[in-house]
Amino acid sequence: EPEVTQTPSHQVTQMGQEVILRCVPISNHLYFYWYRQILGQKVEFLVSFYNNEISEKSEIFDDQFSVERPDGSNFTLKIRSTKLEDSAMYFCASSPKGTSGGTGELFFGEGSRLTVL
Amino acid sequence: DQQVKQNSPSLSVQEGRISILNCDYTNSMFDYFLWYKKYPAEGPTFLISISSIKDKNEDGRFTVFLNKSAKHLSLHIVPSQPGDSAVYFCAASPYFGNEKLTFGTGTRLTIIP
Repeated sequence: EPEVTQTPSHQVTQMGQEVILRCVPISNHLYFYWYRQILGQKVEFLVSFYNNEISEKSEIFDDQFSVERPDGSNFTLKIRSTKLEDSAMYFCASSPKGTSGGTGELFFGEGSRLTVL
Repeated sequence: DQQVKQNSPSLSVQEGRISILNCDYTNSMFDYFLWYKKYPAEGPTFLISISSIKDKNEDGRFTVFLNKSAKHLSLHIVPSQPGDSAVYFCAASPYFGNEKLTFGTGTRLTIIP
């Protein structure tokens, strides 16, 4: 069964360092997303991406964040200068946008845990 | 800003009985609702969804009920099985096809054998 894969599963970094989280969405999906979950809190929307551009972003997704689909298969989230409060589990998701009669579901990866020290 | 609330952080149910997970929302713009299940060290997986034009949707052991006037939905699992032990998230969006989901904080369901 096709799945969304994410790397790394866990990354520890120093405050102020740049981090890139990688995702390989399901191959025939058209919409891509990043969500995050700070420990003990709810899963929060960060950004959606379609047709090589951001379609929607939340207030969390400030100038320190960027997304890219560099090669047609990978979808990356970059945090330019990490802060302590960026420590969270980051989930990539994809969906087969454009299918009618579907459930509207997102397919999530297993997550990348980011720890900022 | 808790637009989607799951007021029970945990729930324990005997195997074979019914599990009822509840969710309330405050934003009247929400029109489409989903339930996701999450096991440890895995991403959320979709369970079932419902549009606001319906008040019930059923899929096997899982049924979601929507009371739009009360801004309340619930997920019923019957009969409950040990494999149902997980964290369940309620999520909402303004319309079907909008994948900017607003999630609740989750309810940890434990099925007791």
